[in-house]
Amino acid sequence: DTGVSQNPRHKITKRGQNVTFRCDPISEHNRLYWYRQTLGQGPEFLTYFQNEAQLEKSRLLSDRFSAERPKGSFSTLEIQRTEQGDSAMYLCASSLAYQRGSETQYFGPGTRLLVL
Amino acid sequence: GNSVTQMEGPVTLSEEAFLTINCTYTATGYPSLFWYVQYPGEGLQLLLKATKADDKGSNKGFEATYRKETTSFHLEKGSVQVSDSAVYFCALGPKTTDSWGKLQFGAGTQVVVTP
Repeated sequence: DTGVSQNPRHKITKRGQNVTFRCDPISEHNRLYWYRQTLGQGPEFLTYFQNEAQLEKSRLLSDRFSAERPKGSFSTLEIQRTEQGDSAMYLCASSLAYQRGSETQYFGPGTRLLVL
Repeated sequence: GNSVTQMEGPVTLSEEAFLTINCTYTATGYPSLFWYVQYPGEGLQLLLKATKADDKGSNKGFEATYRKETTSFHLEKGSVQVSDSAVYFCALGPKTTDSWGKLQFGAGTQVVVTP
């Protein structure tokens, strides 16, 4: 079990640039979540995939944000035209839910984004 | 809507002291409850969980009991070590009747344990 991995671990970009983050979930996990964590706060839900289908998006996910999970394995989160307010830690979590109430989400180390 | 409130930090303790971090929640039905821990420079790790009323989750000497009557899930440890210094997050998860659900986190409580 290699755990959830995320790349890159750190990203510094200039305002207006596009960035893309990758998440590799635990093998065979069918669910994948993206969260955002700002300094001093708990993570906030952004979006969720069941296999390759994106089933829920938070209001936090503006039109500049897009997420994909094309083959039901890894996922990418893209932010277009970054703004300074996008600076945060972006967390990915995966889970294997085979029955109601059994889900436990396992988190990756996160990608820390700094928009200058 | 659902919400999680946990005590503010930092909480500073001496080694071998007793630790309590309060967590209360607002939700309908019977959500699942979690404690996650974030050590310096690392990602969130699941510490323990409980899925129904009166369940007690435990791990690494930490315990928390799901109290429906007080809507609480307080974290306790009888004797902390310096290695327990971290940020602890209480989280509300899906109801046991739901097929999926996002986690809703509290703001986190930083714990500092001194030798």
